[in-house]
Amino acid sequence: GENVEQHPSTLSVQEGDSAVIKCTYSDSASNYFPWYKQELGKRPQLIIDIRSNVGEKKDQRIAVTLNKTAKHFSLHITETQPEDSAVYFCAARESGGGADGLTFGKGTHLIIQP
Amino acid sequence: GAVVSQHPSRVICKSGTSVKIECRSLDFQATTMFWYRQFPKQSLMLMATSNEGSKATYEQGVEKDKFLINHASLTLSTLTVTSAHPEDSSFYICSRGLGAGSDTQYFGPGTRLTVL
Repeated sequence: GENVEQHPSTLSVQEGDSAVIKCTYSDSASNYFPWYKQELGKRPQLIIDIRSNVGEKKDQRIAVTLNKTAKHFSLHITETQPEDSAVYFCAARESGGGADGLTFGKGTHLIIQP
Repeated sequence: GAVVSQHPSRVICKSGTSVKIECRSLDFQATTMFWYRQFPKQSLMLMATSNEGSKATYEQGVEKDKFLINHASLTLSTLTVTSAHPEDSSFYICSRGLGAGSDTQYFGPGTRLTVL
């Protein structure tokens, strides 16, 4: 089955700086890669996703890049703000169409220092 | 707004009892829903895929007799933790896809289970 590795486990950045979180996956058949933000005790919230036919996607301060050959994808947050502090999870799915569950990375605790 | 609800949000039970958690799709009928478990400060682990009108598909290592899943209607899936023990204490979260052919998944608010 799929295995997703995520680094770093904790990331502390100064407010206004950029944050980058990296993930690798093992199954070359995976073709959908979402990123979720989870605040303490709350549900994971989808913040951005990318499909394997796209190399990069951007939504305001958030961007995701995908390297299919190397089987890794990254989340980039620019101009970080205190409200960006949370745990971020990457995930991968082995097939399209929504019929399969997600395999998650172990998460990154992002801390924005004021 | 929320498209998936869960009930209860928190439950505390004694060891040996069974607990039922409900997951509802609020805005449309879902033939497939997913159940995840999240231990404190850990990631989400897929437990099973709930299929409307048929048996659930369990992930390797998840006991189907321990975690009973029923998806009797297109808007409701239930997870029953049978004979719960302290090691079953966890955050249980369900999810649902956006629709046919869509990859996007939305998660319910989760249920915090504490077994004494």
